[in-house]
Amino acid sequence: QVQLQESGPGLVKPSGTLSLTCAVSGDAISSNWWSWVRQPPGKGLDWIGEISHSGSTSYNPSLKSRVTISVDKSKNQFSLKLSSVTAADTAMYYCATAASGPLAFWGQGTLVTVSS
Amino acid sequence: QPVLTQSSSASASLGSSVKLTCTLTSGHSTYIIAWHQQQPGKAPRYLMKLEGSGSYNKGSGLPDRFSGSSSGADRYLTIVNLQFEDEADYYCETWDSNTRVFGEGTKLTVL
Repeated sequence: QVQLQESGPGLVKPSGTLSLTCAVSGDAISSNWWSWVRQPPGKGLDWIGEISHSGSTSYNPSLKSRVTISVDKSKNQFSLKLSSVTAADTAMYYCATAASGPLAFWGQGTLVTVSS
Repeated sequence: QPVLTQSSSASASLGSSVKLTCTLTSGHSTYIIAWHQQQPGKAPRYLMKLEGSGSYNKGSGLPDRFSGSSSGADRYLTIVNLQFEDEADYYCETWDSNTRVFGEGTKLTVL
């Protein structure tokens, strides 16, 4: 069974770059699709983007200009960078994975607050 | 891209049944969806994949109390014999070649 664990700074300054990593265990990152999803406080789920095992990426059009998702196969992990953050980017950030369709495994999430 | 519509809230009594609805936009009525459960303070949990035919595949360990069905553009999640631990937010998800979309979620209250 795949296990995912997010890590990264819990506080980011406005206009800075949010950087998170998702460590993968129980499966090789050389398969599946690897996604990032966020959830602002009290709100619903918002898909950020994903990367395939081959390195192809897809991003939410509303965030595309600020998002980069990458994979490090040697460490079996993938990462999220979101630039030019504002308070509106304050959210719980989840990593998740899909083998053939839905996001079937989720990490526990990490709260990122954007504040000076 | 597809859009998923869900009612904002639902409620039902302990031990009764509830049917939650997720509606696909026209032009996307054949899409496969997934249902996810998010209990308070927890990460989402994948429940099942549900096809337009009504065929569904449940996630590991999901009780038989949970089932899925479909009619046209509507996708349903039915929970029978409601338990207090079923009180949660329920999200539907769909996807295509370059995007994923979530519904806005239904908050289920068990009375």
